[in-house]
Formats: sequence, C-alpha cells, structure tokens
Amino acid sequence: GAVVSQHPSWVICKSGTSVKIECRSLDFQATTMFWYRQFPKQSLMLMATSNEGSKATYEQGVEKDKFLINHASLTLSTLTVTSAHPEDSSFYICSARLAGLGIEQETQYFGPGTRLLVL
Amino acid sequence: GQNIDQPTEMTATEGAIVQINCTYQTSGFNGLFWYQQHAGEAPTFLSYNVLDGLEEKGRFSSFLSRSKGYSYLLLKELQMKDSASYLCAVAPPSYQLIWGAGTKLIIKP
Repeated sequence: GAVVSQHPSWVICKSGTSVKIECRSLDFQATTMFWYRQFPKQSLMLMATSNEGSKATYEQGVEKDKFLINHASLTLSTLTVTSAHPEDSSFYICSARLAGLGIEQETQYFGPGTRLLVL
Repeated sequence: GQNIDQPTEMTATEGAIVQINCTYQTSGFNGLFWYQQHAGEAPTFLSYNVLDGLEEKGRFSSFLSRSKGYSYLLLKELQMKDSASYLCAVAPPSYQLIWGAGTKLIIKP
C-alpha cells in the first residue's frame, strides 16, 4: 500500500515552454501533498505544500507564479513549471501524506520523481 | 533555530554493521523519520520513531532519545544494495518535515 506515482518520469523541453507534472496517490487518499526539488548531490528542498481544495503554501524563495500547483482531489496534485529555463532543470519529487491518524498521518510517501531538462 | 545534523559520508564493509547518527534541535517534536534514497531515485520510507527506544525492522533498527535530541539508524549484515543516502527528518508540530542533508553510505566488498 501507500503507492505514489508521478508522470512523466522524464521531460526534455525547450526554454520558455511550460511543463506539467502529475502526482497521484494510487491506493490511498492524501490530505496533503508536498513538492520537492533536488539538485545533483544536494538534499531535498521543499518547494510547496498543497492541501486538497485550497491554495498551496510556498516556501520562501519559490515563485508561486512560476511553479503553479493544483490539488484538485485527494488523489491528484499537479505542478506546472511555467516558462521553464535551463536553471529549472532538476529532479522534482512529490510526496503524499495519508488522511489518517498517528504514524500514517505523519509519514510521507514519495513518488518516483520527474527529471526535467530544459534546453 | 531548527537544525538537523548527520555525517556527510560513511564507508562500511559488506556483511558488517554500521550506525548512522542524527542529532536535531527543533521547535517541538512529533516524531523522527529515516528514509533511504538510492542515487537518482526518490526517498523510500524506512522507519518512524516517536517514543524513546529501539525499533527493529529486519536488518534495520532505529533508535530515539528525545531528551538528547538524538537518533541513529543501525544497519546489520550490510549488503551492496544498501549503498545509498540515508535521510533523517524530524516532524515538528506543523506538517512540514525538517530534513537533514543525508548521509551517503558506501559499502565496500
């Protein structure tokens, strides 16, 4: 149980285009989903937290107009990188937290990640 | 401030035992997680401790001392596939995990 999928797993795009990444919880409902970015050999960096049906909360330094997050249902959140530039090339990972109590409510389950390369 | 410290890199031999330490200073505490992350992949959940003591799960065990702000992950009978980064993360009362930078574990034959 607690499987999270991401699509696509790889994206190569031209500078200036927009890219949408989907994050789905396959066998559970997620009240909260998180979007992370990880550059090579660096630690995870939380970009934003999204709760179903409400606006995402962005971390300091993350441009909300550039990284659009939509959490339309308890099983789907999307991240859209608008007008992508080469410096946006990174490994984007989502995680989902179960709607429940105790350890289940605290544990984040990660999707497999999406590698974005902007040319 | 909030801070999590763990060693940057450790090396161990196949078949041996290794202990990866994590110390933390956070505003509030609602549990500590250990995740494993292989190169190029997303993290996978290993363990969660919220009470003091040792939690054993197969070859992996995790220990917590809340009074000392200290945890460790113990890996026994090391296998080559255990080569990965191990991330310590603390859950404060809010819902956002605070992540350590990770410990890269290198297993040698």
